[in-house]
Amino acid sequence: AQSVTQLGSHVSVSEGALVLLRCNYSSSVPPYLFWYVQYPNQGLQLLLKYTSAATLVKGINGFEAEFKKSETSFHLTKPSAHMSDAAEYFCAVMAPSGGYNKLIFGAGTRLAVHP
Amino acid sequence: NAGVTQTPKFRVLKTGQSMTLLCAQDMNHEYMYWYRQDPGMGLRLIHYSVGEGTTAKGEVPDGYNVSRLKKQNFLLGLESAAPSQTSVYFCASSYRELQTQYFGPGTRLLVL
Repeated sequence: AQSVTQLGSHVSVSEGALVLLRCNYSSSVPPYLFWYVQYPNQGLQLLLKYTSAATLVKGINGFEAEFKKSETSFHLTKPSAHMSDAAEYFCAVMAPSGGYNKLIFGAGTRLAVHP
Repeated sequence: NAGVTQTPKFRVLKTGQSMTLLCAQDMNHEYMYWYRQDPGMGLRLIHYSVGEGTTAKGEVPDGYNVSRLKKQNFLLGLESAAPSQTSVYFCASSYRELQTQYFGPGTRLLVL
């Protein structure tokens, strides 16, 4: 079965520090991979997605993620954290299930940014 | 464009009551989805639809029914609410199967 594992339910960084949110997936086929961000009391917003083109994917708000097939990983990074980056981040894989391709989410990582 | 909208934003139910959550999208998307979000579990797919008049079960369909009578609307029904259905419900839509899903703002449901 397809699955997504996000290492660390909570991550805390200082403003200006590197942000690294980890995501590992399992998929029997080449995956489509996504990162979504959820700000408090809001819906999910797409940050970036990988669809088998370039392995380094750039997203909005300065985030990027690198697809590493050998490590089955799709970690999200940002060189310098900003206070406005505080939110919950979800990694997801789109994979076949029951005849259709479904979006399967990780449990989420809550990012805190402190001054 | 409003994108994906959900009604209501918040609701409190007593055990055994029924209600319908409405999702509407104005992007002419074929696919629509209902998810529930619970702490530490990410989002789980309840039901989805691949076009007007179609519905299919997702990962956690028990206790819910859905209808897609119009392309732009996707309704989620709870016939007899239970405390285990306390959750935040998100609707999403996409143009095609493998394309980006766009999410609504969510409905927070509390079942007492």
